[in-house]
Amino acid sequence: GAVVSQHPSWVICKSGTSVKIECRSLDFQATTMFWYRQFPKQSLMLMATSNEGSKATYEQGVEKDKFLINHASLTLSTLTVTSAHPEDSSFYICSTGTSDIYEQYFGPGTRLTVT
Amino acid sequence: AQSVTQLDSQVPVFEEAPVELRCNYSSSVSVYLFWYVQYPNQGLQLLLKYLSGSTLVKGINGFEAEFNKSQTSFHLRKPSVHISDTAEYFCAVLEKLTFGTGTRLTIIP
Repeated sequence: GAVVSQHPSWVICKSGTSVKIECRSLDFQATTMFWYRQFPKQSLMLMATSNEGSKATYEQGVEKDKFLINHASLTLSTLTVTSAHPEDSSFYICSTGTSDIYEQYFGPGTRLTVT
Repeated sequence: AQSVTQLDSQVPVFEEAPVELRCNYSSSVSVYLFWYVQYPNQGLQLLLKYLSGSTLVKGINGFEAEFNKSQTSFHLRKPSVHISDTAEYFCAVLEKLTFGTGTRLTIIP
């Protein structure tokens, strides 16, 4: 399957600052990428669907101005958490869509801690 | 609306013993079910999926799952576990990929 990387794997930032998380599809051209968030002891929740060259589609309840998604190329999507607050502390996971709509390849995740 | 319930957050099992990880779902549309595994510091990997056809689905690493429509379940089983099976296991249902809260499988040597 496709290999997906995320950078950084772990980041700590101060409240009010912005953090950028990168998701790279290393061996697969991904026209679609997905961003998930996972709080401790909870399931992964889809935040948004990122399409190369167009605006992301956000799930209900996700603030698009706070979670900025850019999918400028077929191998890179970025998620920027703007003006981060402690409640944004979570595990952020990306995945790539494939031609098989029933299969996604997941990155290892990025743990964000906002102090 | 669709949802997935994994009642067991942690399952300790002795090595070479059988294991069953439970998953129940609710969905108002066609049911497509998945099990993913997440090894430490790695991304989720697809173990197996049920789309249609035979209700017994075989996946990688010796795992299998049975779709039971009447009980709305999709439990994951393995007859004999190995230390390398220690991981977090997630059940999921599609339309929009909806995950359970995960079950941490710990193998006791």
